[in-house]
Amino acid sequence: DAGITQSPRHKVTETGTPVTLRCHQTENHRYMYWYRQDPGHGLRLIHYSYGVKDTDKGEVSDGYSVSRSKTEDFLLTLESATSSQTSVYFCAISEGYNYGYTFGSGTRLTVV
Amino acid sequence: AQSVTQLDSHVSVSEGTPVLLRCNYSSSYSPSLFWYVQHPNKGLQLLLKYTSAATLVKGINGFEAEFKKSETSFHLTKPSAHMSDAAEYFCVVSDEGDFQKLVFGTGTRLLVSP
Repeated sequence: DAGITQSPRHKVTETGTPVTLRCHQTENHRYMYWYRQDPGHGLRLIHYSYGVKDTDKGEVSDGYSVSRSKTEDFLLTLESATSSQTSVYFCAISEGYNYGYTFGSGTRLTVV
Repeated sequence: AQSVTQLDSHVSVSEGTPVLLRCNYSSSYSPSLFWYVQHPNKGLQLLLKYTSAATLVKGINGFEAEFKKSETSFHLTKPSAHMSDAAEYFCVVSDEGDFQKLVFGTGTRLLVSP
């Protein structure tokens, strides 16, 4: 999607290892979000950011941490990956209320 | 806290017939409401959004939705389904007072048969 890039697109990792997913935007939007998508659950919010170094937890934040040291980058870290964290992860950006949200193409993470 | 309920997990229609995907919401503030579509193994695409302007919202690809505050509903419709409409559809709510976080419904898979 234009203006937002997620990396890597696919990753397979072993249980217990740390994993970092990256979301990069070129739109200079204030708000950034990490969601996970699982069958039957839609997308659920993991963490979000409302500015550089300003982050907060979403509804499924256990086992995840985030960092935002620059406006354009929002990192999601799985501190010690578990099989329950096998999912598709989406990053989104927004200018704010009443504006649209742009989603990245997703990262498919498999924890074996 | 806001929430969204998509009343059908699957909807099947024939090509050329109308589409109705149902969504009810709960929100404490003045909500923004969205419909997103996700084709298989693809990302999410915005179909349309309601942000307290006209209650009938027109989106891309012939879709539209009507915001009904009295019924707390935001159903998605299309007069005539096309094979390319087969996808998963998500109803989404966002509150002005909550860092613009999106809350997703669990999705409705639309199946279109020839």
